[in-house]
Amino acid sequence: NAGVTQTPKFQVLKTGQSMTLQCAQDMNHEYMSWYRQDPGMGLRLIHYSVGAGITDQGEVPNGYNVSRSTTEDFPLRLLSAAPSQTSVYFCASSYGQGFEKLFFGSGTQLSVL
Amino acid sequence: AQKITQTQPGMFVQEKEAVTLDCTYDTSDQSYGLFWYKQPSSGEMIFLIYQGSYDEQNATEGRYSLNFQKARKSANLVISASQLGDSAMYFCAMREGKNTGNQFYFGTGTSLTVIP
Repeated sequence: NAGVTQTPKFQVLKTGQSMTLQCAQDMNHEYMSWYRQDPGMGLRLIHYSVGAGITDQGEVPNGYNVSRSTTEDFPLRLLSAAPSQTSVYFCASSYGQGFEKLFFGSGTQLSVL
Repeated sequence: AQKITQTQPGMFVQEKEAVTLDCTYDTSDQSYGLFWYKQPSSGEMIFLIYQGSYDEQNATEGRYSLNFQKARKSANLVISASQLGDSAMYFCAMREGKNTGNQFYFGTGTSLTVIP
């Protein structure tokens, strides 16, 4: 029962570097999303997708790109890392219909120096 | 305007006592879902309980119950008989309908500490 698999668990980047956070789910979920969690600010939505080929911006999309070429995968790309992107990142998915709960990955702790 | 408001940054409760974590929400949709998640110090997000906007009964899951007051737009989590393992961050969340993108909105969380 893999659920939502998110890699890596930890990452340290230098300012200006790029990287991709990987997210895969094996539950055939239509809806996938990325959140960042910062102290005192809860979880904020970065980008989300309601199906393969469809993505949209959330609350804090600047500096991040996403694509959804398959139902299973939803990678998050940091184009040019900045210290303000130091955060814990969560990938989450759910069935697209109705008010289904989110299933979360285990999170990625990212530090940008 | 905040979609989800949790006004208690930190709460303390004595072991075996009940505790209520507050959550208010803001939506113009008639149809929506309300959720509570627990995040222990290990970091994972654990689903606790769900309440649909059309559900007339308050949701219950074991020691967790959701006190849903639609007119007040509140969805408070009640934990009965607190245990040491209940010490964690608790997040209230709302999912609106398809017309608004089926997005989830989270509150800023309440840190609960259970005192032995």
